Amino acid sequence: GENVEQHPSTLSVQEGDSAVIKCTYSDSASNYFPWYKQELGKGPQLIIDIRSNVGEKKDQRIAVTLNKTAKHFSLHITETQPEDSAVYFCAARGNEKLTFGTGTRLTIIP
Amino acid sequence: GAVVSQHPSRVICKSGTSVKIECRSLDFQATTMFWYRQFPKQSLMLMATSNEGSKATYEQGVEKDKFLINHASLTLSTLTVTSAHPEDSSFYICSARDLAVAVNYGYTFGSGTRLTVV
Repeated sequence: GENVEQHPSTLSVQEGDSAVIKCTYSDSASNYFPWYKQELGKGPQLIIDIRSNVGEKKDQRIAVTLNKTAKHFSLHITETQPEDSAVYFCAARGNEKLTFGTGTRLTIIP
Repeated sequence: GAVVSQHPSRVICKSGTSVKIECRSLDFQATTMFWYRQFPKQSLMLMATSNEGSKATYEQGVEKDKFLINHASLTLSTLTVTSAHPEDSSFYICSARDLAVAVNYGYTFGSGTRLTVV
């Protein structure tokens, strides 16, 4: 089955700086890669996603890049704000199921 | 946008009792529901996948007789934790496939249920 690795597990960034979280996946048949933000005690919230036929996607301060050959994808958050502090999960879709990465706890330092 | 309503948000039950968690898709028809379990500071682990009107498919290591899943309609799926024990204490989250999103890529998550078994 699919295996998704995510790094780093924790990340502290000064407010206004950029944050980058990286994931690798194992199943070359995976075709959809969403990123979720999870706040304490809540369900995951989709922040951006990318499909396998696209290399990059941007939505305001958030961007995702996908390298299918290397089987890795990354989340980029620019101009970070305190409200960006949360746990972020990447995921890969293969066989109709989402497999999640291990999560990154992002802390924005004011 | 698509919304999945999950209830209850928190539940405390005594060991040996059963607990039912409901997930409803409010403005779309969800042919497929996914149930996840998340332990503190860990990732979401898929427990089972259910299609409307069919038996659920459980992931390896998940006891189907302990975690009963019913998906009787296109808008409602339930997870019943039977004979709950303290080790079943966890955060349970449902997710529904949104057919309105192009090429079936959409997944909408519920807000989760914190189950504590005492």
